[in-house]
Amino acid sequence: EDQVTQSPEALRLQEGESSSLNCSYTVSGLRGLFWYRQDPGKGPEFLFTLYSAGEEKEKERLKATLTKKESFLHITAPKPEDSATYLCAVRFGGSEKLVFGKGTKLTVNP
Amino acid sequence: NAGVTQTPKFQVLKTGQSMTLQCAQDMNHEYMSWYRQDPGMGLRLIHYSVGAGITDQGEVPNGYNVSRSTTEDFPLRLLSAAPSQTSVYFCASSYQGENTEAFFGQGTRLTVV
Repeated sequence: EDQVTQSPEALRLQEGESSSLNCSYTVSGLRGLFWYRQDPGKGPEFLFTLYSAGEEKEKERLKATLTKKESFLHITAPKPEDSATYLCAVRFGGSEKLVFGKGTKLTVNP
Repeated sequence: NAGVTQTPKFQVLKTGQSMTLQCAQDMNHEYMSWYRQDPGMGLRLIHYSVGAGITDQGEVPNGYNVSRSTTEDFPLRLLSAAPSQTSVYFCASSYQGENTEAFFGQGTRLTVV
């Protein structure tokens, strides 16, 4: 069973069409949930860290939220340059390891 | 500030050949790790290190060796390359502790024929 599950696998939006990406996790002892953006041919780029249920963080058109079982990445009025794969990862227990979901590929059409 | 630097960016190997993927960071991070990324599989942890002289296995360690002689460098060695090791490899580093995101290199695309 995957410890981190992202949905949907792929999402196509029109420019300006807001939506949300989901990251659900089954680990206990969550020490941090991380969102990354990955462009084709590049390494993942850090976006947000969330630590406790109810926490929210924003950056431009992106807003990340966290509950006890899942996190959402809300994209408001997206632009074509928001097209990328968005990765979710968790750090839990006594380990420094990051466990990643498989990502959501977002395409925003002009 | 270079961040995390991986070399080479691309590599083609023949089955059975050996090679080393290089990773260096200039942020004085204690924690370094290697991931492979395959279509539909996401990022999977190969090996990691919490400091010089200390390494441990991740989720998919078979066929790979690592060592950490300095804080800055964390090379990944393929002892006898197999087609199943065709993948994109990413090195990452971070400080240890709660408020610490990982920084990634640009990746090495490896093809084993």
